[in-house]
Amino acid sequence: AQSVTQPDIHITVSEGASLELRCNYSYGATPYLFWYVQSPGQGLQLLLKYFSGDTLVQGIKGFEAEFKRSQSSFNLRKPSVHWSDAAEYFCAVGSYGGATNKLIFGTGTLLAIQP
Amino acid sequence: SQTIHQWPATLVQPVGSPLSLECTVEGTSNPNLYWYRQAAGRGLQLLFYSIGIDQISSEVPQNLSASRPQDRQFILSSKKLLLSDSGFYLCAWSRGGTGAYEQYFGPGTRLTVT
Repeated sequence: AQSVTQPDIHITVSEGASLELRCNYSYGATPYLFWYVQSPGQGLQLLLKYFSGDTLVQGIKGFEAEFKRSQSSFNLRKPSVHWSDAAEYFCAVGSYGGATNKLIFGTGTLLAIQP
Repeated sequence: SQTIHQWPATLVQPVGSPLSLECTVEGTSNPNLYWYRQAAGRGLQLLFYSIGIDQISSEVPQNLSASRPQDRQFILSSKKLLLSDSGFYLCAWSRGGTGAYEQYFGPGTRLTVT
């Protein structure tokens, strides 16, 4: 069965420092991978997606993610975080085919930014 | 452009009362529609999804139900709420069919069952 693991529940990073959020997936075929961000009390916003092609994908708000098939990973990165990046981040893998069309989410990583 | 609405934004209901949460999408046709629940400190749990009218899949057995009376309307209901139904309910849509598409989320409904 497909699954997504985000091993870090909480991460604290200093403003201006670099960020990497980890995501590992389990999927039998070519995965479709996503990163979403959620600010408190709000819905989820799509940051970026990987379907095929270049394994380094660029997203909004200066984020990027790299797909590594050999490591079953899709880690999210940002070279310099801003206080406004404090939020919860979710990695997801798509499950498609037949009458199925859904995303399987990880449990999220809560990012705190310290001045 | 496409827009997704949810209402109400917040709701406080006593145990045993009925529930109706509504989600509508504008600017697209034949979308796939989804209901998720997010309990405090936990990830997203997919409750229902629909790839068309009269095509609703249930992911988790519970006292909730979903209906899709119109192409772009998705309703989450309960006849009798439980304390464990408290949480943040999110509706989402994607392009229709079974292709690989991203989902777009609404602003959510905060439900507190007392």
